[in-house]
Amino acid sequence: KAGVTQTPRYLIKTRGQQVTLSCSPISGHRSVSWYQQTPGQGLQFLFEYFSETQRNKGNFPGRFSGRQFSNSRSEMNVSTLELGDSALYLCASSTGRNNEQFFGPGTRLTVL
Amino acid sequence: QKEVEQNSGPLSVPEGAIASLNCTYSDRGSQSFFWYRQYSGKSPELIMFIYSNGDKEDGRFTAQLNKASQYVSLLIRDSQPSDSATYLCALEGSGGYNKLIFGAGTRLAVHP
Repeated sequence: KAGVTQTPRYLIKTRGQQVTLSCSPISGHRSVSWYQQTPGQGLQFLFEYFSETQRNKGNFPGRFSGRQFSNSRSEMNVSTLELGDSALYLCASSTGRNNEQFFGPGTRLTVL
Repeated sequence: QKEVEQNSGPLSVPEGAIASLNCTYSDRGSQSFFWYRQYSGKSPELIMFIYSNGDKEDGRFTAQLNKASQYVSLLIRDSQPSDSATYLCALEGSGGYNKLIFGAGTRLAVHP
């Protein structure tokens, strides 16, 4: 079975721009969660989608948003980028019936 | 107090020894606990999950959970240099729905 895929793998943007990241879960998995990983804050939960519905969200500003499509693929968007948004963005998929999550390779975002 | 506490390490053990990684948590309502391994520059990889008090073994790995004392540990037997990585403890956060709360991770170094 193919794993979680994320595109793009690397991204460089400037302050004020917006960015969209994509995640394709493991086949059959209907839940996609997004996390931000930085050296200072570690891994932090952004939000989770299941069957196109956001079921939970973390403590991030409204500039961070996401959505899920009917094929379970998910996108997250960050608007008005700030330097502090530079991070590794990880998505994780699960069946949605339990909490075992499997991570994709991540998208490394650098904001200049 | 952080929700999930881990000693940052590095924990240095000789090849063939038992590595013991510990994690304490503050939310008594937490039910699901996970150990992830993260190699430098890679995404987290799920090693073990445990939901019930006691021990759970999988190959060289044993997870131990004590809900009364609010700690979870991971033992790695016959440690190998390839086990050198950062080990992340995680639990299901409030609201459930795949919201994982991660500790900062413990760096393990296994030397030949």
